[in-house]
Amino acid sequence: EPEVTQTPSHQVTQMGQEVILRCVPISNHLYFYWYRQILGQKVEFLVSFYNNEISEKSEIFDDQFSVERPDGSNFTLKIRSTKLEDSAMYFCASRPSGLFNQPQHFGDGTRLSIL
Amino acid sequence: GQQVMQIPQYQHVQEGEDFTTYCNSSTTLSNIQWYKQRPGGHPVFLIQLVKSGEVKKQKRLTFQFGEAKKNSSLHITATQTTDVGTYFCAGYNNAGNMLTFGGGTRLMVKP
Repeated sequence: EPEVTQTPSHQVTQMGQEVILRCVPISNHLYFYWYRQILGQKVEFLVSFYNNEISEKSEIFDDQFSVERPDGSNFTLKIRSTKLEDSAMYFCASRPSGLFNQPQHFGDGTRLSIL
Repeated sequence: GQQVMQIPQYQHVQEGEDFTTYCNSSTTLSNIQWYKQRPGGHPVFLIQLVKSGEVKKQKRLTFQFGEAKKNSSLHITATQTTDVGTYFCAGYNNAGNMLTFGGGTRLMVKP
């Protein structure tokens, strides 16, 4: 069964540094998402992306965050200047086109640790 | 903005006991989805409910969508240790481009 893949599985970065988290969504999916989950807490929506542009973003997704689909397969999340509170698990998800009552498929996540 | 709340936050049960988690939204939902996250894992889609009052079953799991489409529940009959994990409900906004998760209910099952 096709999967969403995320790299790296764990990223350790110094505070203030830029970090790029990478995702390869399922190949025929057209809607892409990033979520954040602080340890032991709920899954928080960051941003959705469709047709090469952001379709919705949450309050968490401030100017320090950006997303990009640099080629036909990758979907990246960049944090420009990381803060301690950015430490969390970051999940990428994708779903096919069409009605939004279709399930989202999640990757295994990237654990981001800011020192 | 849309808020989705779940209770309880944690539930310890003895294997064989039943378990229920409740989900409430601040706004009417077009549909509701349920996900399960095993410890150390990622959310995995379980089911979606679309119609008012809808009830769906998956083996020992029963999912219900309220008449007003603002609340939902998941009931597990005769829990097993494999049911351990956090169960999240999630609802889309009207535009269908943002999925808001509830806080989750963490289920722990004692063998």
